[in-house]
Amino acid sequence: GESVGLHLPTLSVQEGDNSIINCAYSNSASDYFIWYKQESGKGPQFIIDIRSNMDKRQGQRVTVLLNKTVKHLSLQIAATQPGDSAVYFCAEFLPNNNDMRFGAGTRLTVKP
Amino acid sequence: DAGVTQSPTHLIKTRGQQVTLRCSPKSGHDTVSWYQQALGQGPQFIFQYYEEEERQRGNFPDRFSGHQFPNYSSELNVNALLLGDSALYLCASSFNTDTEAFFGQGTRLTVV
Repeated sequence: GESVGLHLPTLSVQEGDNSIINCAYSNSASDYFIWYKQESGKGPQFIIDIRSNMDKRQGQRVTVLLNKTVKHLSLQIAATQPGDSAVYFCAEFLPNNNDMRFGAGTRLTVKP
Repeated sequence: DAGVTQSPTHLIKTRGQQVTLRCSPKSGHDTVSWYQQALGQGPQFIFQYYEEEERQRGNFPDRFSGHQFPNYSSELNVNALLLGDSALYLCASSFNTDTEAFFGQGTRLTVV
């Protein structure tokens, strides 16, 4: 079946570097995507979202890129800080569907 | 303004028992979704409640049931607990068809 997945289960970066977390989705009908951050012992926290009629969206230190041609989503974090260490999930929505599908997540570790 | 609150935070139950988990949505939200998150995995959609009715359901057996009250709070009930039901149970609230959902910190259920 179709599902959301992530390319790498772990990512380690130096403090101050930029981080890129990738996500592949296989359902071409998905029209809305969200990136969540989950710290240990906490629920997922909304970071940024993007609709399928866009290919880029920027927030504070974060940028999401959507490439519908290859069904790829990425989260870029600028000047990564120790507080960014967490598991990052991408999630997708199908049109008229309330079921948010999550991938398995990527663990980001920021080294001082 | 309190965000999404869940209770209890931790729970230990014996196989075969029944459990009830509770969720209070963020102020102004009327929709509650429940997710199961196994260790090292992304959250899996269980069901969503709106206007006191189950609006959508994921791929979970009938042992998983829920309820939404007039004040929009919600309960998740699991009957005949199995060891495999051990997980973090997350509640997320949103406003009707708004897709941005806010998560609670979760209830860690351990079945022994």
